[in-house]
Amino acid sequence: LAKTTQPISMDSYEGQEVNITCSHNNIATNDYITWYQQFPSQGPRFIIQGYKTKVTNEVASLFIPADRKSSTLSLPRVSLSDTAVYYCLVTDSGYALNFGKGTSLLVTP
Amino acid sequence: DAGVIQSPRHEVTEMGQEVTLRCKPISGHDYLFWYRQTMMRGLELLIYFNNNVPIDDSGMPEDRFSAKMPNASFSTLKIQPSEPRDSAVYFCASSPFMNTEAFFGQGTRLTVV
Repeated sequence: LAKTTQPISMDSYEGQEVNITCSHNNIATNDYITWYQQFPSQGPRFIIQGYKTKVTNEVASLFIPADRKSSTLSLPRVSLSDTAVYYCLVTDSGYALNFGKGTSLLVTP
Repeated sequence: DAGVIQSPRHEVTEMGQEVTLRCKPISGHDYLFWYRQTMMRGLELLIYFNNNVPIDDSGMPEDRFSAKMPNASFSTLKIQPSEPRDSAVYFCASSPFMNTEAFFGQGTRLTVV
């Protein structure tokens, strides 16, 4: 399994753009990069998935450089409700998801 | 669909007792996952099933833990005997395929005293 490294915590003010970077130096050719969000007392929720370059949906953008050894989740103009834990996963076709501890994002007014 | 349904939402039990956690996956999903979440270790995969068959149980911590999936709409995670260190939130999730979005239940908060 490709191991991921991401910051334990981040702080931001409302209205700012937040970028959370994840390192995955030993990512394999078949691996996809997936991000989940978890609010307190809830299960994780899928945000976005990508393989290379850039992916954007209504919630976030995911930037993946050419070497794919890292990825950045970008949350535009965060609000208080974006306070959550964000998990970066590298998913191999032969294995299920393993989450680790994620990045705890705190958004304040 | 109502999503992944777990029961009970909360369970408090005494050390040594048997605990059974239940999960109903989303209809049509071929994969079912059991996770455990603690402050110390984060969110860990315990076991997953494909078409009711256990595929990888390497995350199951000890023989005290067992999981079954008797049919496509029901799975159980059993701890016997329970210990205080088993206290955690246990999540069940399902997905239609491997490497696609997994849908999580609300979790069962287990407290063993």
